Amino acid sequence: EAGVAQSPRYKIIEKRQSVAFWCNPISGHATLYWYQQILGQGPKLLIQFQNNGVVDDSQLPKDRFSAERLKGVDSTLKIQPAKLEDSAVYLCASSLSRSGGSGYTFGSGTRLTVV
Amino acid sequence: SQQGEEDPQALSIQEGENATMNCSYKTSINNLQWYRQNSGRGLVHLILIRSNEREKHSGRLRVTLDTSKKSSSLLITASRAADTASYFCATGMFSGGYNKLIFGAGTRLAVHP
Repeated sequence: EAGVAQSPRYKIIEKRQSVAFWCNPISGHATLYWYQQILGQGPKLLIQFQNNGVVDDSQLPKDRFSAERLKGVDSTLKIQPAKLEDSAVYLCASSLSRSGGSGYTFGSGTRLTVV
Repeated sequence: SQQGEEDPQALSIQEGENATMNCSYKTSINNLQWYRQNSGRGLVHLILIRSNEREKHSGRLRVTLDTSKKSSSLLITASRAADTASYFCATGMFSGGYNKLIFGAGTRLAVHP
């Protein structure tokens, strides 16, 4: 089966600019996650969707980050305006069930550098 | 804040040796998962162990879970240079009917030929 697709692979922007990341999960996977991974750290959950509804966005900096999952399939994560500390890899993952009982499938991530 | 803490932070071994990584966590969990990440790549799911299980095997991987001590270990037997990667434990907790997965900081494993 096809994996989780993410684009772009790399992005370099200046601080205060905006940026958007795209994710296409595995077909049929109802649950979609966005994680932020800062260099040398483990991934941190930003937002979790069940179909097109948000079930957890407690760690999302809502003053600058936004995410949507229209039609319960693809998802976009946006940062506006970006700060230097937003430099990280943004990982998208999906799982078949909301229990996560079969593990998560991750995409290759988007590496964001804010200068 | 991160739920799980891996130990050691870094591990360097020779090919053929066994590698053991430990994970400790703080609150009750539904399951615990181990993931592998090669440099610059996404995470790959290795194994999931449920809170009512004590040990699980998958190929050269062996995972144990001790819920009384809130700890887990990942053993890779007969390591190979290709096992060089970062390994993360992630604790799964049910919240509001959904599984929430929280990752630790990871163990960086280097296997030398």
